[in-house]
Amino acid sequence: AQTVTQSQPEMSVQEAETVTLSCTYDTSESDYYLFWYKQPPSRQMILVIRQEAYKQQNATENRFSVNFQKAAKSFSLKISDSQLGDAAMYFCAYSHGNKLVFGAGTILRVKS
Amino acid sequence: SAVISQKPSRDICQRGTSLTIQCQVDSQVTMMFWYRQQPGQSLTLIATANQGSEATYESGFVIDKFPISRPNLTFSTLTVSNMSPEDSSIYLCSVAPTGRSGNTIYFGEGSWLTVV
Repeated sequence: AQTVTQSQPEMSVQEAETVTLSCTYDTSESDYYLFWYKQPPSRQMILVIRQEAYKQQNATENRFSVNFQKAAKSFSLKISDSQLGDAAMYFCAYSHGNKLVFGAGTILRVKS
Repeated sequence: SAVISQKPSRDICQRGTSLTIQCQVDSQVTMMFWYRQQPGQSLTLIATANQGSEATYESGFVIDKFPISRPNLTFSTLTVSNMSPEDSSIYLCSVAPTGRSGNTIYFGEGSWLTVV
């Protein structure tokens, strides 16, 4: 079975600084997708970024980028120029066949 | 993208009762899913809602406890039956617009149930 591990229960970052959230996963599949979702206090799940496993190039979305290491099964999220609105729970997720397997989540706190 | 509406957004339920959650999507989607998020925890897939046939349940979830309907390509319901305090959770509807792998999965705002 696929598993997703987020080893950082909580992280803090100063406004305007950069923070990296870690994620590792385990799978025997070769074709899969990886996601980072953000869940603010409103509980709405918001897609941050998506990575296709067959693409070597790391995905980027504005201030958000990933470091995808397929051989190491690692998928970290880097947030640059952190803003107060980035404070939320961040979930790493794995998908094969559109079913998502989530990590335990990392709470990100942003200090002003 | 898809806009997903869930009802109710929040409810307080009595032990032993059942509650049905509705999920309405603004466009036809191929796949619909139901997830559970227990307090302070991550999301766990309950089942895939199949249009016109029985839902496909994940390990640890059964139809008698979580009956699901999906009468068309834009609507699904999840019933939480014979509720106990352990069922206090956020229940989230999600959709994959197409049947291809790698869809962006969209989520509703969730239904926050508290069982007393």
